[in-house]
Amino acid sequence: GAVVSQHPSRVICKSGTSVKIECRSLDFQATTMFWYRQFPKKSLMLMATSNEGSKATYEQGVEKDKFLINHASLTLSTLTVTSAHPEDSSFYICSAQQRNYGYTFGSGTRLTVV
Amino acid sequence: DQQVKQNSPSLSVQEGRISILNCDYTNSMFDYFLWYKKYPAEGPTFLISISSIKDKNEDGRFTVFLNKSAKHLSLHIVPSQPGDSAVYFCAASLISNFGNEKLTFGTGTRLTIIP
Repeated sequence: GAVVSQHPSRVICKSGTSVKIECRSLDFQATTMFWYRQFPKKSLMLMATSNEGSKATYEQGVEKDKFLINHASLTLSTLTVTSAHPEDSSFYICSAQQRNYGYTFGSGTRLTVV
Repeated sequence: DQQVKQNSPSLSVQEGRISILNCDYTNSMFDYFLWYKKYPAEGPTFLISISSIKDKNEDGRFTVFLNKSAKHLSLHIVPSQPGDSAVYFCAASLISNFGNEKLTFGTGTRLTIIP
């Protein structure tokens, strides 16, 4: 079946530094990729939607300059958390959509900013 | 504004019995509903879905029921097995203003199957 690889699975970084999270669709081409964030005891919140070769569409309240999304190819999307602060600590999950086949999720990245 | 709600954060069920997980939504524009299962430190995996034009979809031990008038859906697992212990998310889909399909998730219900 469709597999989405997300890494790193865990990352600890210092406040003020940037962290890049990668999401790859291993055996299919993802027409659209989604980035979610999950706070403790909260639902998965959609941050942005990206289509290959075009700018990401961000949800209301998500800072574009802070959460940089690049979708350079049909199999790779990256989320860069710039100038991370402790309040950015969260669980980030990507999802790749294959046309007519639905969504496949990555395994998530636990980001801790100290 | 939580458009998709799962009011039970946790549920414990005896092995072999039926597990019923509930989900309510507020947006009548949702046209497709999905259930995902999530183990710790893993991403959600797709379980079963239902279109808004149907009221029931069955796949093996899993059945999803949709009551559009009540804006309510439920997932039935029977018989429940220990491996079913996980967090279950319901999600609702609609086409966003930008033309993309967009999923809205509930807060999840932690199901524990008691051997």
